[in-house]
Amino acid sequence: DIQMSQSPSSLAASVGDRVSITCQASQDISNYVNWYQQKAGQAPKLLIYDASNLEIGVPLRFSGGGYGTDFTFTISSLQPEDIATYYCQQYHNLPHTFGQGTKLEIK
Amino acid sequence: EVQLVQSGAEVKKPGESLKISCEASGYIFTSHWIGWVRQMPGKGLEWMGIIYPGDSDTRYSPSFQGQVTISADKSIRTAYLQWSSLRASDNAMYYCVRLTSSSPRHYWGQGTLVIVSS
Repeated sequence: DIQMSQSPSSLAASVGDRVSITCQASQDISNYVNWYQQKAGQAPKLLIYDASNLEIGVPLRFSGGGYGTDFTFTISSLQPEDIATYYCQQYHNLPHTFGQGTKLEIK
Repeated sequence: EVQLVQSGAEVKKPGESLKISCEASGYIFTSHWIGWVRQMPGKGLEWMGIIYPGDSDTRYSPSFQGQVTISADKSIRTAYLQWSSLRASDNAMYYCVRLTSSSPRHYWGQGTLVIVSS
């Protein structure tokens, strides 16, 4: 299986800060990366697909980039409602493995 | 509209057996993989395994091989995850997910909470 190494595992930032999360794949996966947001008690919600495409309805402060093995997810200006855990996922090979998650908190 | 509806929460004792279900609608059941994802309390998302209902091709992640059984019944468009003997470490939320090879689109069930306690 393809391994997705996500960092950091947790992150505390202030409202308005720019926040970034990285994910590294164990092999070349082109741009086959999703980014999810999971809030407590809910199923994950897709924010970004194909590494950089914003899902319909997702605020523009969320963005993604990268290709090959290295990927980045960014929130340009952190809002209180962004408190959640974020996961990267590859869908190049079955099974579509996840990163370990990044728990985002407000300072 | 693609929908995956999972069976309700379960409370079981260690050593008991359990089978939870995931009923699919809104798409051709035999043309897409369905997988099971475990989320232990406060932890991340782990693939347990996947099944292709069209030919019953089933693949388990190494950590779950031999620990659970994944199956599907095409006639009632339902996938299953079962345990023959539950352990306390099986306490978790379990999600079924429809996935398609090389596609970003994943559809999630609402989750089934399994509590194992003596």
